[in-house]
Amino acid sequence: QKEVEQNSGPLSVPEGAIASLNCTYSDRGSQSFFWYRQYSGKSPELIMFIYSNGDKEDGRFTAQLNKASQYVSLLIRDSQPSDSATYLCAVKGDTGFQKLVFGTGTRLLVSP
Amino acid sequence: GAGVSQTPSNKVTEKGKYVELRCDPISGHTALYWYRQSLGQGPEFLIYFQGTGAADDSGLPNDRFFAVRPEGSVSTLKIQRTERGDSAVYLCASSARASGVSGSGETQYFGPGTRLLVL
Repeated sequence: QKEVEQNSGPLSVPEGAIASLNCTYSDRGSQSFFWYRQYSGKSPELIMFIYSNGDKEDGRFTAQLNKASQYVSLLIRDSQPSDSATYLCAVKGDTGFQKLVFGTGTRLLVSP
Repeated sequence: GAGVSQTPSNKVTEKGKYVELRCDPISGHTALYWYRQSLGQGPEFLIYFQGTGAADDSGLPNDRFFAVRPEGSVSTLKIQRTERGDSAVYLCASSARASGVSGSGETQYFGPGTRLLVL
């Protein structure tokens, strides 16, 4: 079992719709959770981080964390064609382990 | 510039050669990380520095890989006797701090990467 799992997609949504990206992780000790966006040929760009159970909103983006279910998601409201990219979920353990463990990413396609 | 910078942006080498990849972190960031990303995969951790010392090198695949950060700022990833399987994008990231209470200070910001091709 991979430590961080994401559906590779592609996830196709029409412009203006809500895109829902999901991620599960295996390490119950994980403390910090990050969503990065990566355009083709570019490096990962941070979108959001979340540490506490529940929702965290930032503009059109909402991150949701459920530690009991070991599940983290990213919702993108009013999706735009410019949101088309690969979304990487990354998980960090407790303070003794600083590395980020990434999923393989979900490719999102937003059609005009 | 305010971001993480990496040089070269592209490197083509022949099997068996030695390469050095450089990373210049965000000014003031004490933690520096190296990752490797293969096509269709997420970045894979290689090594992390806190200051000048390598705090965790558990991701280095073998002893052909080595990294240094002698003055606690710029880091160099060194690969000896390169193999075709080393071809990937090598990403560097930095954060203001690495440990302590979770917060924005531990967020890792990535550089543009070095695309390494071993022929």
